[in-house]
This record gives sequence, structure tokens and C-alpha cells, in this order.
Amino acid sequence: DTEVTQTPKHLVMGMTNKKSLKCEQHMGHRAMYWYKQKAKKPPELMFVYSYEKLSINESVPSRFSPECPNSSLLNLHLHALQPEDSALYLCASSPGGVSTDTQYFGPGTRLTVL
Amino acid sequence: AQTVTQSQPEMSVQEAETVTLSCTYDTSENNYYLFWYKQPPSRQMILVIRQEAYKQQNATENRFSVNFQKAAKSFSLKISDSQLGDTAMYFCAFRRGAQKLVFGQGTRLTINP
Repeated sequence: DTEVTQTPKHLVMGMTNKKSLKCEQHMGHRAMYWYKQKAKKPPELMFVYSYEKLSINESVPSRFSPECPNSSLLNLHLHALQPEDSALYLCASSPGGVSTDTQYFGPGTRLTVL
Repeated sequence: AQTVTQSQPEMSVQEAETVTLSCTYDTSENNYYLFWYKQPPSRQMILVIRQEAYKQQNATENRFSVNFQKAAKSFSLKISDSQLGDTAMYFCAFRRGAQKLVFGQGTRLTINP
């Protein structure tokens, strides 16, 4: 089973709203990732959690706040977003820590900021 | 810094044909991993194939195979007997150790009936 699930599938929010994206995996993976993907572009790494600790933050604005409550769950809290933050947000996980392990992706959340 | 280049923004072939997608990369490292991911219109990124740089044998997965030329820093993907379901964006990616996955810009492949 190489399934990573993400909820919601679609999200529309205003610039003053607070919302959260959720990612879950039950494969026992110890590294989890958030990516942002604009249309027709490759994914851009935002955050990496390794063994439930934040190990990489790619200089992401503070209006994006990641959280890893346990080894199976990864959240991305959103607050005061801008229209340019509209994108597909992908979650991924890999078996070991941050290593050469293959990353498995979820189906993504399509975010629209009005 | 490592870079990955996919020189074909779009490709189109007829069903059942064989198609090859190109990927080149730039690195001074000797040990690393290369990947091809597929992203159909349904959005999910799906791993197609993976190659360890220390292995000389080219990886294969059913109709998908790679031509890995380490000296030339080339990692092309061959899709044999192409099917309509192969229509997708294909991304080549590089990773070394704990460093992040570096993606190419992608090739949009269309399989025509």
C-alpha cells in the first residue's frame, strides 16, 4: 500500500480566512513533505518533516504554518493568504528520514484564494 | 547546484507507438538517484521508475524503461506500446542523499487514438 491521502480535494478561501490542509499516510513512513505546484510547472518544495521534526523550510512565508502532530499526519495551516497562493498543494512521504528514499505523493488539494 | 533539464515541453504520438522522453542533469556527485514521475490530468504524481546511479543496469517496469548514461548525465524514459492512459505530464527528478528532490520542467505527453 503506497497511499497518501489529502483532504480536502478542493478549497476556496478568502484572504482573511483561516483554513487547514490535511495529509495522512499509514505506511510507517518517517519523512513527510509539502509541495506547492503552479499550473504546468514542477512541484516546489515548501517543508520537510523528518521523524516528526521540521528539518527543511524553504523560506516559505509565515502565512503558511506546517504541523506534524504524529508520524502519520501532516497539516498545513493557512492564514491571510494572497491570490498568488492559489495552486495545487501536494503532500508526499518517504520511508526513512530525509534520505534517498522514494517519495510517494498524495492526490493534492486544489486551493483557490479569492 | 544540481539542475535537471527536459528539452521537450510537449510530445504527441499515436497509440501503440514507442516514445522516448529526454532528461539531462548536471551534478558533480557520484552517488545519486534519478526518478521519472507521471502526473495525469487527475493531478496525482505517480512514480514510474527509479534508477540508482551506482547500478549500471537500466531500470525497467513493464512497458517503461530507462536509458541511463552516467558519463553523459542523461536519463531518458522509453514507453513501449503506448496507451491512452499514458497521457500525462512527465517529470524527471534527481536526488542525492538528504538533499531535496530536484525536478525538471516536465514534458507533456499526449497519446492519440
